[in-house]
Amino acid sequence: GAGVSQSPSNKVTEKGKDVELRCDPISGHTALYWYRQSLGQGLEFLIYFQGNSAPDKSGLPSDRFSAERTGGSVSTLTIQRTQQEDSAVYLCASSPQGPTQYFGPGTRLLVL
Amino acid sequence: GDSVTQMEGPVTLSEEACLTINCTYTATGYPSLFWYVQYPGEGLQLLLKATKADDKGSNKGFEATYRKETTSFHLEKGSVQVSDSAVYFCALQVPSKQKVTFGTGTKLQVIP
Repeated sequence: GAGVSQSPSNKVTEKGKDVELRCDPISGHTALYWYRQSLGQGLEFLIYFQGNSAPDKSGLPSDRFSAERTGGSVSTLTIQRTQQEDSAVYLCASSPQGPTQYFGPGTRLLVL
Repeated sequence: GDSVTQMEGPVTLSEEACLTINCTYTATGYPSLFWYVQYPGEGLQLLLKATKADDKGSNKGFEATYRKETTSFHLEKGSVQVSDSAVYFCALQVPSKQKVTFGTGTKLQVIP
């Protein structure tokens, strides 16, 4: 079956612009996660959704970052007024009941 | 808070050598423990997991045993192959939380 998909796969933007990153989870997976992976760093947790609600937003690094999920499916991560330090790979994962997460291929963001 | 510490890489081994990647954790309660692998150019995928003390997770010749007394979950393989070259992430999830906490990753390079 289809796995987690993310779009775009690569995004180059100029400092100060807004970007939207999309995640399509595996059908039926109720939990959805966003992570950030910077060069030489591990995975930094950003936000978690259960259905359409986000009980844990503790990882969002600043108020420039926001995310939403609609219909218990697609999620969008928005970064406003991008900065160079936002350059990273943004990973989405989904999960059915239980702890195992299924990751998408990521969106590589480069802020010039 | 919850945290995962794994040995820094890169680790370079010759084909057929033995592999151990150390992982220790700090968590409240009794977490589930995971090893994820990221092959070059691919997304993260679950390699193995263990959900309670003394459980052994295994897959593709890799093994890890949940050691509560030493709070460890070391990844081992008796004979590595070039195709095992990847970045390996240790992770935990506390049952009362959905968030998964990852280590910083260990890059393994296996040379012929």
